[in-house]
Amino acid sequence: DGGITQSPKYLFRKEGQNVTLSCEQNLNHDAMYWYRQDPGQGLRLIYYSQIVNDFQKGDIAEGYSVSREKKESFPLTVTSAQKNPTAFYLCASSPTGPNTEAFFGQGTRLTVV
Amino acid sequence: AQSVTQPDIHITVSEGASLELRCNYSYGATPYLFWYVQSPGQGLQLLLKYFSGDTLVQGIKGFEAEFKRSQSSFNLRKPSVHWSDAAEYFCAAEISNFGNEKLTFGTGTRLTIIP
Repeated sequence: DGGITQSPKYLFRKEGQNVTLSCEQNLNHDAMYWYRQDPGQGLRLIYYSQIVNDFQKGDIAEGYSVSREKKESFPLTVTSAQKNPTAFYLCASSPTGPNTEAFFGQGTRLTVV
Repeated sequence: AQSVTQPDIHITVSEGASLELRCNYSYGATPYLFWYVQSPGQGLQLLLKYFSGDTLVQGIKGFEAEFKRSQSSFNLRKPSVHWSDAAEYFCAAEISNFGNEKLTFGTGTRLTIIP
């Protein structure tokens, strides 16, 4: 079945540690996205990539980093510079071009203690 | 600035009753419009989308939405809700011809269903 896989579903880390969230898609989509979700704030775009080896900052990129070495994969690293990393993180992908829609993974809940 | 507003944070509806969730957008031109649903701890699932054409859009799970340009609205409706419809609903809009990088989400409406 085609889809987007995020792993792990739950992640716990100590403050000051970097942590990498995995996102893999087999939909053959060119574009991939990372969103952060906090209660009452909807989804906010962290980074996006429209093509392999290229990515752009979203609205809240500070304290995060990404890579796009393969079309299928778009890992997100939450660095120690992110002031408030505890959140629900959603990965999405879409075809490029007009009249397209984004498909979402099941999310990773990161808790930093 | 471009924005999407969902004025209702939380709505409670009796099972079998009708439902309308409100969504307003503020864009210079007509954006593409979407409604997504999210069950607790899960990702988002697309319910329906509007790109152009017929202003009444049919989606999955018996949902529909009506685009009203004069009111800058894209309200989601269902004639009779089921207990399984309890979830959080997000309206989203974007105006890019190149992809979804400008997808802007509303803050969501949480729907509770009572027996």
